[in-house]
Amino acid sequence: EAGVAQSPRYKIIEKRQSVAFWCNPISGHATLYWYQQILGQGPKLLIQFQNNGVVDDSQLPKDRFSAERLKGVDSTLKIQPAKLEDSAVYLCASSFLVGGYEQYFGPGTRLTVT
Amino acid sequence: RKEVEQDPGPFNVPEGATVAFNCTYSNSASQSFFWYRQDCRKEPKLLMSVYSSGNEDGRFTAQLNRASQYISLLIRDSKLSDSATYLCVVRATGGGADGLTFGKGTHLIIQP
Repeated sequence: EAGVAQSPRYKIIEKRQSVAFWCNPISGHATLYWYQQILGQGPKLLIQFQNNGVVDDSQLPKDRFSAERLKGVDSTLKIQPAKLEDSAVYLCASSFLVGGYEQYFGPGTRLTVT
Repeated sequence: RKEVEQDPGPFNVPEGATVAFNCTYSNSASQSFFWYRQDCRKEPKLLMSVYSSGNEDGRFTAQLNRASQYISLLIRDSKLSDSATYLCVVRATGGGADGLTFGKGTHLIIQP
């Protein structure tokens, strides 16, 4: 079974530029999550989708971050404009359904903002 | 106060030793508890769930104390391949949301 796919794997941008990350969850998984992991810290949830609807975006900095999952399958996370403190690994995870199911993580996108 | 607190380490232990990690969480509404393992520059992977009665998986034993809001992980007969960061994770579900809350992780180095 194929795992969670993410691209690009690495991205370097200058502050104030825009960037987008893509995630394709495990086939059949209805729930998709985006996490941000800053160096030396654990992942922090940014947003959770159930199919194409947002379930939780309470920790998403909405002034610069946006995410969508239009067809309920793959998802994009965008940062516009980027700040130095956005340098982190952005992890996508998926699970079969909400509640009680294991979350499987993708390899992440490592973003460096200079 | 952080939602999930762990000693960041690093813990340097010789191969074959027993090592224990502790973790406390602040959200009393937390319903599910886990230990994840994260290798350097890799994604987190589920090591084991933690149940109130305590549970064991080979050399790994996890314990949960809901009254004290305390979670532990014990690794017996440690191997070189156990070197990694161990993340304490809790989950509170509500309104359809079930995102994970991670601690900072404890870095373990097993020395030959």
